[in-house]
Amino acid sequence: DIQMTQSPSTLSASVGDRVTITCRASQSISNWLAWYQQKPGKAPKVLIYKASSLESGVPSRFSGSGSGTEFTLIITSLQPDDFATYYCQQYNSYSRTFGQGTKVEIK
Amino acid sequence: EVQMVESGGGLVQPGGSLRLYCAASGFTFSSYWMSWVRQAPGKGLEWVANIKQDGSEKYYVDSVKGRFTISRDNAKKSVYLQMNSLRVEDTAVYYCARDNYYDRGDFDYWGQGTLVTVSS
Repeated sequence: DIQMTQSPSTLSASVGDRVTITCRASQSISNWLAWYQQKPGKAPKVLIYKASSLESGVPSRFSGSGSGTEFTLIITSLQPDDFATYYCQQYNSYSRTFGQGTKVEIK
Repeated sequence: EVQMVESGGGLVQPGGSLRLYCAASGFTFSSYWMSWVRQAPGKGLEWVANIKQDGSEKYYVDSVKGRFTISRDNAKKSVYLQMNSLRVEDTAVYYCARDNYYDRGDFDYWGQGTLVTVSS
């Protein structure tokens, strides 16, 4: 099974900061990676799919990059609505695996 | 508007059974794979199972193989999760999600979730 490792687990940042979250796969997944945002008590919301494609309606301050085993989610200017937990998710054949999550907290 | 509504969660004793339901609307249900994803209290997300458009292929995470069964009824636009031999570690919010199996590999629409609690 493919394992996904996110870093950091927790991130403290201020409004306006540039935030970078990394996700590493235990083996190559090409560009089959998605990023989600989840707020407490709510279902996850997809932000990025196929590593770098921005989901419709998602603000352009969110961007994704990477391929193979290393992936990055960048928020260029953190907004109050962005304080949440972020998950990466890989797709390899029928199987899906999520990273353990990165909680973005207010500094 | 695309919508998924889950139901069927509740409190069950270890070893017991529960059947979860997911009613979909707002899209051509029979054209999509569907998945169940769960989240234990305070923990991360875990994909549980998925099912092909016609029900001919089904896949499961190792921890539920032989205990859980996913199924669907395209006429009712519904997907189900039959959970048997439940364990304490199955306690979680269970989400139904539209699975972009072929073109994107992600889950683009989710329900609100239904809570399953396994406890004596």
